[in-house]
Amino acid sequence: QQQVKQSPQSLIVQKGGISIINCAYENTAFDYFPWYQQFPGKGPALLIAIRPDVSEKKEGRFTISFNKSAKQFSLHIMDSQPGDSATYFCAASIVDSSYKLIFGSGTRLLVRP
Amino acid sequence: EAQVTQNPRYLITVTGKKLTVTCSQNMNHEYMSWYRQDPGLGLRQIYYSMNVEVTDKGDVPEGYKVSRKEKRNFPLILESPSPNQTSLYFCASSLDASFRGAKNIQYFGAGTRLSVL
Repeated sequence: QQQVKQSPQSLIVQKGGISIINCAYENTAFDYFPWYQQFPGKGPALLIAIRPDVSEKKEGRFTISFNKSAKQFSLHIMDSQPGDSATYFCAASIVDSSYKLIFGSGTRLLVRP
Repeated sequence: EAQVTQNPRYLITVTGKKLTVTCSQNMNHEYMSWYRQDPGLGLRQIYYSMNVEVTDKGDVPEGYKVSRKEKRNFPLILESPSPNQTSLYFCASSLDASFRGAKNIQYFGAGTRLSVL
């Protein structure tokens, strides 16, 4: 199955809180899992990515947690800031004849001051 | 500055009137792709191109055409637009289709919002 299921659809967090966005996949051949951040009026931009041989990757306040056995991965935003308010997409790719990224449905995050 | 440039940014048209959305990248990338973004559906790939004169269908290619005559340009053509093609469109490019590595980031344009009446 070439799908990536993302939840929640929207999320409201207070400033300083932790934002958590979850994604699940079926295809065990996926071997690259990026997260994209999109601000209104802009295109998506790569935020952070992980390979399945690593269980966690951290870059500043952003952390990807990866659970290979459960086929799930999540984005954690620590100390969330109003400037983090954006739409976040998880994605997955598989290097076969397809050569494409499969995107989740997106999560709209609002961080309240 | 690394850029993917789409034009126009906004377009309102009527059913059946052929239109072209242009896309140009200045990074000498081999891989280019078109996506459409619809609420609750995320980004869905329309067409992609591995290199000049090499294009292939994505997940939602019906009603669209593309061409890749030059490495930097990848226009999206709607021969006979219909209202169900009202959407936000993004062009993207990357070094190659593996999307891996610090230098192989997929860059997106700012988007083209299309309304077909």
